This record gives sequence, structure tokens and C-alpha cells, in this order.
Amino acid sequence: KAGVTQTPRYLIKTRGQQVTLSCSPISGHRSVSWYQQTPGQGLQFLFEYFSETQRNKGNFPGRFSGRQFSNSRSEMNVSTLELGDSALYLCASSPLGAGTGQPQHFGDGTRLSIL
Amino acid sequence: SQKIEQNSEALNIQEGKTATLTCNYTNYSPAYLQWYRQDPGRGPVFLLLIRENEKEKRKERLKVTFDTTLKQSLFHITASQPADSATYLCALEERDDKIIFGKGTRLHILP
Repeated sequence: KAGVTQTPRYLIKTRGQQVTLSCSPISGHRSVSWYQQTPGQGLQFLFEYFSETQRNKGNFPGRFSGRQFSNSRSEMNVSTLELGDSALYLCASSPLGAGTGQPQHFGDGTRLSIL
Repeated sequence: SQKIEQNSEALNIQEGKTATLTCNYTNYSPAYLQWYRQDPGRGPVFLLLIRENEKEKRKERLKVTFDTTLKQSLFHITASQPADSATYLCALEERDDKIIFGKGTRLHILP
């Protein structure tokens, strides 16, 4: 079974631009969660999608948004990029989602650098 | 406020010894607690899950304990090897809610 795939692996943007990151979950997994990881803050929850609906949201500004398609693939968008958005963005999938006692399967992330 | 605390400093353990990592939490009532391993430049990899009504879980050289009274989980690696060197993350799940991760502990196994 193929794992979670995130594209692109690396991205360089400048302040004020916007970016879209993509995540393909493991086949059959209906939940996709997104996390931001920085050295200072660790792994912080952004949002979770389940069957195309946002089920949970973390404490991030509205510049961070996401969506999920009918095939469970998910995209995350960040608008008006700031220097502080430089981070590793990770997505994770599971069959039934967070809060159900199931392991999260992570991709290797997209490293976003803002100049 | 809700908080998850893991040893912020790196842990250096001699090869062959048991490594013990700590995860403490406040203002959570987790139904599940998970441990993950993360290598540099990679995503976290799931290791073990323990439920609120379980005291201990084992998998090969790994052991996790969960004390809901102390609000603490301990993660043990016995007969540690240099290949066990990585960052270890604990994660809490309240029922039907999001998963929250600790900042992780870097473990170095010295040959």
C-alpha cells in the first residue's frame, strides 16, 4: 500500500505570495489532518478534514485554509505569506480520523521557506 | 491552559541501556495516548498507542505506561541501539477530538 504523499517537497516563496500544498492519503483513509512544525513550537494542529468536511480546526489565522476532495486528497492554502510561515507542513491520514484511537500516517512534509 | 510537556533537553543514553522518556500533561482527559518517532527531514512514524483504561503496552523492545492519575506516560526502549537515535513525540487524543502533540524529546544512543 502506498504511503501518504505530499507535494511539493520543497518550496520557496516571498512575503505576500500565496501557496497551495497537496496531500494524497493512503487509499481508503477518509481523514486528512494538517500540521505545521517549527523548531520553537513543535507540531501544531492546523485542521482536519473527513469526507470533504472540516471536522476540527486549530488556532491559526484565516490565511490558512484547506479543502478535501471526493477522492480524499487534500490541499492546504496559505495566503499573504509571512516570514513566520516558514516551516515544515505535514499531513497525516487515518481511516476514521482523530479521536478514534487510530494511528496517524504521516507524509514526509513540504518544507516551505519564505524570503 | 492545556499543556503537554516532554523533556526539552536531549537525552544521551549508552548503547545497551534502557532509555526512558517522559510525557506529562495538564488539563486534558485523553482517551488515547500515542508515541511517534521522527527522524530529521521525515514525517513522524507511529510506534504505540495506549488507551485510558490500559496501564501498560509492549511491542518488542518498546514499552509504554499510562497513569491517568499522575497525568503521565513513560516510554521505554530497552537494549537501546544507535539506530534508536531520533526525536520521540507523544500525542494525546480526547474522544472525538483532535490529536495534540508534545514538542518531542531528542534521544541520542551513544555507541
